[in-house]
Amino acid sequence: GAGVSQSPRYKVAKRGQDVALRCDPISGHVSLFWYQQALGQGPEFLTYFQNEAQLDKSGLPSDRFFAERPEGSVSTLKIQRTQQEDSAVYLCASSQTGTFYGYTFGSGTRLTVV
Amino acid sequence: RKEVEQDPGPFNVPEGATVAFNCTYSNSASQSFFWYRQDCRKEPKLLMSVYSSGNEDGRFTAQLNRASQYISLLIRDSKLSDSATYLCVVNRGVGNQFYFGTGTSLTVIP
Repeated sequence: GAGVSQSPRYKVAKRGQDVALRCDPISGHVSLFWYQQALGQGPEFLTYFQNEAQLDKSGLPSDRFFAERPEGSVSTLKIQRTQQEDSAVYLCASSQTGTFYGYTFGSGTRLTVV
Repeated sequence: RKEVEQDPGPFNVPEGATVAFNCTYSNSASQSFFWYRQDCRKEPKLLMSVYSSGNEDGRFTAQLNRASQYISLLIRDSKLSDSATYLCVVNRGVGNQFYFGTGTSLTVIP
Protein backbone atom coordinates (compact mmCIF):
# COMPACT_ATOMS: atom_id res chain seq x y z
CA GLY A 1 0.00 0.00 0.00
CA ALA A 2 0.91 3.65 -0.20
CA GLY A 3 1.38 4.11 3.52
CA VAL A 4 1.56 2.24 6.81
CA SER A 5 -1.89 1.00 7.72
CA GLN A 6 -2.93 0.21 11.29
CA SER A 7 -6.13 -1.28 12.62
CA PRO A 8 -8.24 -0.82 14.54
CA ARG A 9 -8.02 2.94 14.73
CA TYR A 10 -9.58 2.93 18.19
CA LYS A 11 -9.97 0.12 20.70
CA VAL A 12 -11.69 0.14 24.06
CA ALA A 13 -10.90 -2.88 26.19
CA LYS A 14 -12.08 -3.90 29.59
CA ARG A 15 -9.31 -4.47 32.09
CA GLY A 16 -8.09 -8.04 31.81
CA GLN A 17 -9.12 -8.44 28.19
CA ASP A 18 -6.63 -9.46 25.49
CA VAL A 19 -6.19 -7.20 22.46
CA ALA A 20 -4.46 -7.54 19.09
CA LEU A 21 -3.29 -4.57 17.07
CA ARG A 22 -2.42 -4.91 13.42
CA CYS A 23 0.15 -3.12 11.29
CA ASP A 24 0.47 -3.39 7.53
CA PRO A 25 3.76 -1.72 6.53
CA ILE A 26 4.68 -0.05 3.26
CA SER A 27 5.24 -2.71 0.63
CA GLY A 28 8.86 -3.75 0.45
CA HIS A 29 9.88 -2.18 3.73
CA VAL A 30 12.11 -4.57 5.59
CA SER A 31 12.19 -2.84 8.96
CA LEU A 32 9.16 -2.51 11.19
CA PHE A 33 8.97 -0.82 14.57
CA TRP A 34 6.31 -0.58 17.27
CA TYR A 35 6.14 2.41 19.56
CA GLN A 36 3.90 3.34 22.48
CA GLN A 37 2.93 6.98 22.97
CA ALA A 38 1.31 8.07 26.20
CA LEU A 39 -0.53 11.37 26.39
CA GLY A 40 1.86 14.31 26.41
CA GLN A 41 4.92 12.15 25.80
CA GLY A 42 7.05 11.27 22.83
CA PRO A 43 6.83 7.79 21.32
CA GLU A 44 8.66 5.11 23.31
CA PHE A 45 10.25 2.15 21.54
CA LEU A 46 8.67 -1.27 22.04
CA THR A 47 10.15 -3.66 19.49
CA TYR A 48 11.84 -3.94 16.09
CA PHE A 49 11.62 -6.47 13.26
CA GLN A 50 13.82 -6.96 10.27
CA ASN A 51 11.75 -9.09 7.94
CA GLU A 52 10.30 -11.81 10.16
CA ALA A 53 13.09 -11.66 12.72
CA GLN A 54 12.43 -9.79 15.93
CA LEU A 55 15.83 -8.22 16.52
CA ASP A 56 15.05 -6.07 19.51
CA LYS A 57 12.23 -6.42 22.02
CA SER A 58 13.91 -4.57 24.84
CA GLY A 59 11.16 -1.95 25.00
CA LEU A 60 8.27 -4.30 25.68
CA PRO A 61 7.13 -3.27 29.18
CA SER A 62 6.14 -6.71 30.42
CA ASP A 63 5.62 -10.29 29.34
CA ARG A 64 1.99 -9.40 28.66
CA PHE A 65 3.20 -7.74 25.46
CA PHE A 66 4.01 -9.90 22.47
CA ALA A 67 4.69 -9.00 18.84
CA GLU A 68 5.06 -11.10 15.73
CA ARG A 69 5.65 -10.70 12.03
CA PRO A 70 5.54 -14.28 10.76
CA GLU A 71 5.87 -13.64 7.03
CA GLY A 72 7.94 -10.50 7.15
CA SER A 73 5.12 -8.15 6.20
CA VAL A 74 2.06 -7.68 8.45
CA SER A 75 2.80 -7.45 12.15
CA THR A 76 0.57 -7.94 15.17
CA LEU A 77 1.13 -6.52 18.63
CA LYS A 78 -0.75 -8.49 21.26
CA ILE A 79 -1.39 -7.33 24.78
CA GLN A 80 -2.68 -9.90 27.23
CA ARG A 81 -4.67 -9.13 30.37
CA THR A 82 -4.74 -5.40 29.62
CA GLN A 83 -4.22 -2.95 32.46
CA GLN A 84 -5.20 0.72 32.68
CA GLU A 85 -1.57 1.76 32.31
CA ASP A 86 -1.58 0.16 28.85
CA SER A 87 -3.86 2.96 27.62
CA ALA A 88 -1.88 4.80 24.96
CA VAL A 89 -1.52 5.22 21.23
CA TYR A 90 0.37 2.35 19.63
CA LEU A 91 2.29 3.45 16.57
CA CYS A 92 3.78 1.26 13.91
CA ALA A 93 6.51 2.50 11.57
CA SER A 94 8.34 0.94 8.66
CA SER A 95 11.47 1.80 6.73
CA GLN A 96 13.84 0.53 4.14
CA THR A 97 16.89 -0.98 5.78
CA GLY A 98 20.21 0.52 4.90
CA THR A 99 19.16 4.13 4.86
CA PHE A 100 19.39 6.87 7.39
CA TYR A 101 16.06 8.30 6.40
CA GLY A 102 13.44 8.71 9.05
CA TYR A 103 10.71 6.16 8.90
CA THR A 104 7.01 6.48 8.13
CA PHE A 105 4.44 6.03 10.86
CA GLY A 106 0.95 4.64 10.59
CA SER A 107 -1.95 6.58 12.09
CA GLY A 108 -1.79 4.51 15.23
CA THR A 109 -4.24 2.58 17.35
CA ARG A 110 -5.62 4.45 20.35
CA LEU A 111 -6.15 1.89 23.10
CA THR A 112 -8.24 2.79 26.10
CA VAL A 113 -8.48 0.27 28.92
CA VAL A 114 -11.47 0.79 31.20
CA ARG B 1 19.14 10.43 32.10
CA LYS B 2 16.80 10.44 29.12
CA GLU B 3 18.32 9.77 25.71
CA VAL B 4 16.80 12.95 24.26
CA GLU B 5 15.75 16.04 26.19
CA GLN B 6 13.60 18.85 24.91
CA ASP B 7 11.96 21.89 26.44
CA PRO B 8 8.25 20.96 26.29
CA GLY B 9 7.17 24.60 25.97
CA PRO B 10 4.56 25.66 25.18
CA PHE B 11 5.80 28.30 22.82
CA ASN B 12 3.15 30.82 21.83
CA VAL B 13 4.36 33.17 19.11
CA PRO B 14 2.69 35.68 16.80
CA GLU B 15 2.46 35.07 13.09
CA GLY B 16 5.63 36.12 11.32
CA ALA B 17 7.86 35.57 14.33
CA THR B 18 11.04 33.51 14.36
CA VAL B 19 11.15 30.71 16.91
CA ALA B 20 13.90 28.26 17.84
CA PHE B 21 13.70 24.87 19.53
CA ASN B 22 16.61 23.09 21.13
CA CYS B 23 17.27 19.51 21.99
CA THR B 24 20.15 17.65 23.62
CA TYR B 25 21.03 13.97 23.33
CA SER B 26 23.01 11.88 25.75
CA ASN B 27 24.65 9.20 23.61
CA SER B 28 27.70 10.33 21.65
CA ALA B 29 27.32 7.24 19.42
CA SER B 30 24.14 8.69 17.91
CA GLN B 31 24.51 8.79 14.14
CA SER B 32 21.42 10.31 12.62
CA PHE B 33 19.14 13.09 13.70
CA PHE B 34 15.71 14.27 12.72
CA TRP B 35 12.92 16.65 13.51
CA TYR B 36 9.41 15.25 13.35
CA ARG B 37 6.18 17.21 13.47
CA GLN B 38 3.09 15.85 15.21
CA ASP B 39 -0.33 17.44 14.91
CA CYS B 40 -2.93 16.88 17.60
CA ARG B 41 -4.18 13.27 17.57
CA LYS B 42 -2.13 12.46 14.48
CA GLU B 43 0.97 10.39 13.90
CA PRO B 44 4.45 11.95 13.82
CA LYS B 45 5.64 12.96 10.36
CA LEU B 46 9.20 13.57 9.27
CA LEU B 47 9.90 17.28 8.97
CA MET B 48 13.57 17.15 8.12
CA SER B 49 16.80 15.31 8.69
CA VAL B 50 19.59 17.15 10.46
CA TYR B 51 23.09 17.13 8.99
CA SER B 52 26.38 18.11 10.58
CA SER B 53 26.79 20.99 8.16
CA GLY B 54 23.34 22.31 8.96
CA ASN B 55 20.53 22.29 6.46
CA GLU B 56 17.66 24.44 5.39
CA ASP B 57 14.28 23.67 3.91
CA GLY B 58 12.35 26.81 3.11
CA ARG B 59 11.57 28.58 6.38
CA PHE B 60 13.07 25.76 8.45
CA THR B 61 16.73 25.49 9.42
CA ALA B 62 18.20 22.61 11.38
CA GLN B 63 21.61 22.59 13.06
CA LEU B 64 23.64 19.86 14.71
CA ASN B 65 26.50 20.38 17.14
CA ARG B 66 28.11 17.01 17.77
CA ALA B 67 30.63 18.35 20.27
CA SER B 68 27.86 19.68 22.49
CA GLN B 69 25.38 16.94 21.51
CA TYR B 70 22.86 19.57 20.67
CA ILE B 71 20.28 19.90 17.88
CA SER B 72 18.24 22.94 16.97
CA LEU B 73 15.33 23.86 14.73
CA LEU B 74 14.67 27.42 13.62
CA ILE B 75 11.38 28.43 12.07
CA ARG B 76 11.28 31.81 10.34
CA ASP B 77 8.18 33.78 9.41
CA SER B 78 5.89 31.50 11.45
CA LYS B 79 2.55 30.55 9.93
CA LEU B 80 -0.63 29.52 11.71
CA SER B 81 -0.20 26.12 10.07
CA ASP B 82 3.13 25.65 11.90
CA SER B 83 1.19 25.08 15.15
CA ALA B 84 2.07 21.54 16.22
CA THR B 85 4.37 19.57 18.48
CA TYR B 86 7.94 19.24 17.25
CA LEU B 87 9.77 16.06 18.21
CA CYS B 88 13.54 15.77 18.28
CA VAL B 89 14.71 12.29 17.24
CA VAL B 90 18.09 10.58 17.33
CA ASN B 91 19.21 7.20 16.07
CA ARG B 92 22.36 5.17 16.75
CA GLY B 93 22.46 3.67 13.29
CA VAL B 94 20.72 1.44 10.83
CA GLY B 95 18.57 -1.16 12.49
CA ASN B 96 18.55 0.63 15.79
CA GLN B 97 15.60 2.23 17.42
CA PHE B 98 14.84 5.90 17.17
CA TYR B 99 14.76 7.84 20.42
CA PHE B 100 12.20 10.59 20.66
CA GLY B 101 12.10 13.63 22.86
CA THR B 102 8.87 14.49 24.62
CA GLY B 103 8.19 17.19 22.03
CA THR B 104 7.95 20.96 22.07
CA SER B 105 4.52 22.48 21.64
CA LEU B 106 4.22 25.48 19.32
CA THR B 107 1.15 27.64 18.87
CA VAL B 108 1.27 30.43 16.30
CA ILE B 109 -1.20 33.17 17.16
CA PRO B 110 -2.88 35.39 14.55
